[in-house]
Amino acid sequence: EAQVTQNPRYLITVTGKKLTVTCSQNMNHEYMSWYRQDPGLGLRQIYYSMNVEVTDKGDVPEGYKVSRKEKRNFPLILESPSPNQTSLYFCASSLAGGSTGELFFGEGSRLTVL
Amino acid sequence: DAKTTQPPSMDCAEGRAANLPCNHSTISGNEYVYWYRQIHSQGPQYIIHGLKNNETNEMASLIITEDRKSSTLILPHATLRDTAVYYCIVRVRRSSARQLTFGSGTQLTVLP
Repeated sequence: EAQVTQNPRYLITVTGKKLTVTCSQNMNHEYMSWYRQDPGLGLRQIYYSMNVEVTDKGDVPEGYKVSRKEKRNFPLILESPSPNQTSLYFCASSLAGGSTGELFFGEGSRLTVL
Repeated sequence: DAKTTQPPSMDCAEGRAANLPCNHSTISGNEYVYWYRQIHSQGPQYIIHGLKNNETNEMASLIITEDRKSSTLILPHATLRDTAVYYCIVRVRRSSARQLTFGSGTQLTVLP
């Protein structure tokens, strides 16, 4: 089954404790992206990747890092989480950056930073 | 990408057609209209997209006015599972990798 898989789905952590949210897709998609969703602010893009070893900042990249060493994986790294990073996070992928517009989303990862 | 305007909420009776409007009066000639939906806190789901012709797939129909300044997403026989936030987005199909900008959308509630 074609899917985007995120882990963990739920996480409660404390300020400053490094964490990684993994994202994997099995559709051989070139493009992958991370969004965060907060009440009243909609979906905002954090980082995106056009292909392996190519990443770029989205609208709200501060406090986050990403890497794209393999086509299928695009982990989101919070080196020193802070409470304002408490949010619902979505990973998404598509066949090629911008070419179809059809994004496939993961089920989301709800992160709470205390 | 052109800005869109959608009503914040709508209700629809189960089994009836749900017609969700979207205004995009500043749309450019090469911008497509995309519709996504998000069922409570799940990842958004692609529904349909079109340029100027009406489009239909297994989920919905998309009607775009001749001047392309507005469109309507039609769910022909709404079910309770169609309760979701529906996002209308316009963008150039082969634009930069910033991909889609999601606005506030329309909260559709299907009533039994």
